[in-house]
Amino acid sequence: AQKVTQAQTEISVVEKEDVTLDCVYETRDTTYYLFWYKQPPSGELVFLIRRNSFDEQNEISGRYSWNFQKSTSSFNFTITASQVVDSAVYFCALSEAKGGSEKLVFGKGTKLTVNP
Amino acid sequence: GAGVSQTPSNKVTEKGKYVELRCDPISGHTALYWYRQSLGQGPEFLIYFQGTGAADDSGLPNDRFFAVRPEGSVSTLKIQRTERGDSAVYLCASSLTAGVTEAFFGQGTRLTVV
Repeated sequence: AQKVTQAQTEISVVEKEDVTLDCVYETRDTTYYLFWYKQPPSGELVFLIRRNSFDEQNEISGRYSWNFQKSTSSFNFTITASQVVDSAVYFCALSEAKGGSEKLVFGKGTKLTVNP
Repeated sequence: GAGVSQTPSNKVTEKGKYVELRCDPISGHTALYWYRQSLGQGPEFLIYFQGTGAADDSGLPNDRFFAVRPEGSVSTLKIQRTERGDSAVYLCASSLTAGVTEAFFGQGTRLTVV
């Protein structure tokens, strides 16, 4: 069965600090997709990134970067120079690629608080 | 509208009652998904539609839960004989096509069963 573990329940940092959110996944599929979503207090999940299992290149988008390592089944998310607006719950998710369904399996989320 | 719209935003119902939750996906999106999120947890998959048909309903917890999408656009999640354990935020998402394209989520319906 597929499983996503986000061991950090809550993280609190001071503005401008770098912070890394951990994500470890389990799957028997050889083809799969990994996602990160942001959920601000408004409740709407905001898509951040999708990565397929065949692409282990790290990705950077502005202050955000992602480190995908199949050897350790991890897909960690780093925010550089954090800002108060980054405060939210962040979810890592895994999808089965077969059947054409984007049936996401989510972790329990990490609540990030960035203090001024 | 520009995004996924869910109504109502909040619903309080008595145990044993029937409720309907509505989802308006982004125009032109053929795939639609329902998830349920309990407090402090990540969303859990309920059902997925491709067009009018339910392509995967493996996440529906029991036969009290049912969802329809008769015209391939708006979807309704129906819960019969509600129980207190059904209290959660019900999230709807849509994507342009089936498959692992980006899914856009609505703000959810918070259901409270008292």
